[in-house]
Amino acid sequence: GAVVSQHPSRVICKSGTSVKIECRSLDFQATTMFWYRQFPKQSLMLMATSNEGSKATYEQGVEKDKFLINHASLTLSTLTVTSAHPEDSSFYICSARSEGFNQPQHFGDGTRLSIL
Amino acid sequence: GENVEQHPSTLSVQEGDSAVIKCTYSDSASNYFPWYKQELGKGPQLIIDIRSNVGEKKDQRIAVTLNKTAKHFSLHITETQPEDSAVYFCAARWGTSYDKVIFGPGTSLSVIP
Repeated sequence: GAVVSQHPSRVICKSGTSVKIECRSLDFQATTMFWYRQFPKQSLMLMATSNEGSKATYEQGVEKDKFLINHASLTLSTLTVTSAHPEDSSFYICSARSEGFNQPQHFGDGTRLSIL
Repeated sequence: GENVEQHPSTLSVQEGDSAVIKCTYSDSASNYFPWYKQELGKGPQLIIDIRSNVGEKKDQRIAVTLNKTAKHFSLHITETQPEDSAVYFCAARWGTSYDKVIFGPGTSLSVIP
């Protein structure tokens, strides 16, 4: 149980392109979803937290107009990197949690984004 | 805010030996401490967690201990196997914001056959 599916697993695109990443909870309702960014050999950096039906809460230093997050249903959240540039290249990982702060987060397998 | 430190950053053990990874946290209000295993190119996988009202929890070869007074928690892996090789992250749920989990910097564990 508690499977989180993230798609696509890898994206390579030209600078200036907008890229959408999907995160789905397959067998539970994800009241809260989280988006992380991970640089090589580093830990996970929380970018934003989203609750279903509400606007996302962004961490300090994360541009909300650059990283658009939508959490329109209890099983789907999307992250759109708008007008991506080479410095946006990274490993993006989502996680999902069902209702209740005692519930653990379950992670997707990440998206490797490479901007040329 | 919460800060989580983790040691060692790299750890090599012989197959069959035990591995111990230690973490400390700064926010005494933190009440939930998960451990994640991340294999290359994949997302983190929850392997065990412990809540602040428990001092120890065990699941087969994996155990976690928590010392709330010292704000320390540790992961113990016994009888290590090559497939245990991965990066392990400890984390603490930030007490003032129950939706936020802060991760440690990670430990790269190598189990040598």
